[in-house]
Amino acid sequence: NAGVTQTPKFQVLKTGQSMTLQCAQDMNHNSMYWYRQDPGMGLRLIYYSASEGTTDKGEVPNGYNVSRLNKREFSLRLESAAPSQTSVYFCASSAQGVETEAFFGQGTRLTVV
Amino acid sequence: SQQGEEDPQALSIQEGENATMNCSYKTSINNLQWYRQNSGRGLVHLILIRSNEREKHSGRLRVTLDTSKKSSSLLITASRAADTASYFCATGLNTGGFKTIFGAGTRLFVKA
Repeated sequence: NAGVTQTPKFQVLKTGQSMTLQCAQDMNHNSMYWYRQDPGMGLRLIYYSASEGTTDKGEVPNGYNVSRLNKREFSLRLESAAPSQTSVYFCASSAQGVETEAFFGQGTRLTVV
Repeated sequence: SQQGEEDPQALSIQEGENATMNCSYKTSINNLQWYRQNSGRGLVHLILIRSNEREKHSGRLRVTLDTSKKSSSLLITASRAADTASYFCATGLNTGGFKTIFGAGTRLFVKA
């Protein structure tokens, strides 16, 4: 079982460049999430999708956009990367929103220079 | 500020000892979950306790929840070096949509 797969694992961007982080899950989960993790800050929720066709802002949505492409895939886009977006990004999914445990991908380590 | 806050921020113990980590939160919750993260890896779910439950066990893990105090604790008994990791509490909120909000974590170091 692949679970939650994120690509790429590492990325270096120049300020102002754009990129899309991809996430796919094969567990038929309804809900998907994007978090960022900074040293000493724990995980902060960027966007989430409670079910296919819906997306909502989390704690720190500014500078990001998301697309729930289908039930399996949830992508995160940085339109104009800034050094403050240097972080480790995690995608997660859960069967029924907050009612059930979340499964995490291995993370994308993004550096913006 | 974040919904969940763990205490202590860091904990160092000897193998075989028990480790206790605490979590406090601010708003009403649907459930509270604990996760473990090994260095550089994704998070792994440990246990979920619902708001109407007071205590839950899973192997060497014991979780308590006190909704009147808005707090939870995670006890790891007979710790092992392999338990060395960061531990996060996460609160499941149904208000304003489905959100699971994480605290900053407790870094546990178990010395062999």
